[in-house]
Amino acid sequence: RKEVEQDPGPFNVPEGATVAFNCTYSNSASQSFFWYRQDCRKEPKLLMSVYSSGNEDGRFTAQLNRASQYISLLIRDSKLSDSATYLCVVNKVNDMRFGAGTRLTVKP
Amino acid sequence: DVKVTQSSRYLVKRTGEKVFLECVQDMDHENMFWYRQDPGLGLRLIYFSYDVKMKEKGDIPEGYSVSREKKERFSLILESASTNQTSMYLCASSLESDSPLHFGNGTRLTVT
Repeated sequence: RKEVEQDPGPFNVPEGATVAFNCTYSNSASQSFFWYRQDCRKEPKLLMSVYSSGNEDGRFTAQLNRASQYISLLIRDSKLSDSATYLCVVNKVNDMRFGAGTRLTVKP
Repeated sequence: DVKVTQSSRYLVKRTGEKVFLECVQDMDHENMFWYRQDPGLGLRLIYFSYDVKMKEKGDIPEGYSVSREKKERFSLILESASTNQTSMYLCASSLESDSPLHFGNGTRLTVT
């Protein structure tokens, strides 16, 4: 079993749609969690950290469920510019584990 | 803003050559990392360093070595490049052990 698992997609959604990604992790000692966005042939860029209480940044909401060992990312009112691959990252003291990524395409 | 700079965007090398990939960060971060990213395999950790002159093996260190002589600089060395080392190489840094990573813009290496 992979340490961090994501549905690879692709998710194809129309503009304005709401889309959600989940990511499960296997190491219960994991301490910090992040979502990254990666555009084609570019480096991953931090989208947001994920806190136990959940957090929101504009149209993006991230949640953590430690009991079930998953994190989620919700994107509301999708824009064309949201098209990218979304990577979830799980960290246990300098041991960052990346999911393989979920590909999102937002269509007009 | 954190800036992580990788010396080359694209490199083409021949099999057997010694290859140096350089990475510099300007935010006084303690930790630096080298990853490679391949289609279908995601990001895999090659080496990381949590202090000057310190290094730790990641998941796939074979065929690679690293050097961290100064805090801001972390070099990845391919001792004898092989075709299976053709990949996108990403350097990253972080402030503390539970901080997010900040990536350089990557080096796309082709070994022929």
